[in-house]
Amino acid sequence: QKEVEQNSGPLSVPEGAIASLNCTYSDRGSQSFFWYRQYSGKSPELIMFIYSNGDKEDGRFTAQLNKASQYVSLLIRDSQPSDSATYLCAVNKEAGGFKTIFGAGTRLFVKA
Amino acid sequence: DAMVIQNPRYQVTQFGKPVTLSCSQTLNHNVMYWYQQKSSQAPKLLFHYYDKDFNNEADTPDNFQSRRPNTSFCFLDIRSPGLGDAAMYLCATSAKTGGVAKNIQYFGAGTRLSVL
Repeated sequence: QKEVEQNSGPLSVPEGAIASLNCTYSDRGSQSFFWYRQYSGKSPELIMFIYSNGDKEDGRFTAQLNKASQYVSLLIRDSQPSDSATYLCAVNKEAGGFKTIFGAGTRLFVKA
Repeated sequence: DAMVIQNPRYQVTQFGKPVTLSCSQTLNHNVMYWYQQKSSQAPKLLFHYYDKDFNNEADTPDNFQSRRPNTSFCFLDIRSPGLGDAAMYLCATSAKTGGVAKNIQYFGAGTRLSVL
């Protein structure tokens, strides 16, 4: 089992729809959770981070964390073609630690 | 603007010819990381520095070395590149500010390494 698992996609949604991206992790003691966006050939860019169970909203983005189910998700409302990218889920395993484990990412395609 | 800068953006080397990739930062972050990312794969942590303390991942090949001469600069040395080392190399930084480290990482643009 991979430490951080994501569906590779591609996930295809029409413009204006909600895109839902999911991630599961194996280490129940994981502390911090991140979503990065990566355009093809570019480096990852932080979108959201979340530490506590529940929802965290920032503009069109909502991160959801359920530690009991070891599940974190990212919702993108009013999806735009410019949101088309690979979304990487990342998990920090230890409080105060530096090691972050990345998932392989989900490719999102927003159709105009 | 404060940022993480990687040079060069593209590097072509020959099989077995040593190569050095560089990373500099103006964020004054005390943690610097090197990742290797191959196509459609997750970034894989090679090592990180917390200030001058070097932390090597257990599965990082000996062929990969790193130097951090000061807070701002960090180098990745590949002593004898093989064809399997062709990848994007990403440098990232984060700030350890006490308590639970948020470990929000800021990435440079990456160096794409080709091995001929």
